[in-house]
Amino acid sequence: DAGVTQSPTHLIKTRGQHVTLRCSPISGHKSVSWYQQVLGQGPQFIFQYYEKEERGRGNFPDRFSARQFPNYSSELNVNALLLGDSALYLCASSLSSVYNEQFFGPGTRLTVL
Amino acid sequence: SQQGEEDPQALSIQEGENATMNCSYKTSINNLQWYRQNSGRGLVHLILIRSNEREKHSGRLRVTLDTSKKSSSLLITASRAADTASYFCATGSSYKLIFGSGTRLLVRP
Repeated sequence: DAGVTQSPTHLIKTRGQHVTLRCSPISGHKSVSWYQQVLGQGPQFIFQYYEKEERGRGNFPDRFSARQFPNYSSELNVNALLLGDSALYLCASSLSSVYNEQFFGPGTRLTVL
Repeated sequence: SQQGEEDPQALSIQEGENATMNCSYKTSINNLQWYRQNSGRGLVHLILIRSNEREKHSGRLRVTLDTSKKSSSLLITASRAADTASYFCATGSSYKLIFGSGTRLLVRP
């Protein structure tokens, strides 16, 4: 079985631009979560979606948004990019929305110039 | 904000030695998890210990949990060069994980 997949692997944008990151969960997993990991720090929670509904949101500005599709894949959108948005963006899937083991994808490395 | 804090921030040992990492957290938990991350890529789940458990083993890994002290430790026995990675503890609410800042482990051949 395929694990969690994310695209693209790497991305370079300039300040003010918009970016869309994509994630496909493990087959059968209905929950997708997004995390931001700045270099040298642990991942920070951004969103969780379960059954296409937002179940939780971290302390991130409204420039960050996400959605989950009927096939449970997900997109993370970031508008008006700032230099500080440069990070590794991780997607994780799990069977349910309740806190439990999460399976992470390889991440998307976003660089904002 | 970070819930857990790992200690030490960095650890360098010789292959074959044991590695111990500690994690402290702030609020009550249902369970605590440990993850490994290689070279800034995706995280791999290592072990989950529930709040009513005190010790758990998985292969060369041993995790302890002391809820009275709000702390956990991860022991890797007989380390290998392939164990070189960053290790994170994670706690959380019902819908999210809250990670610590991690311990960077270097195992020298």
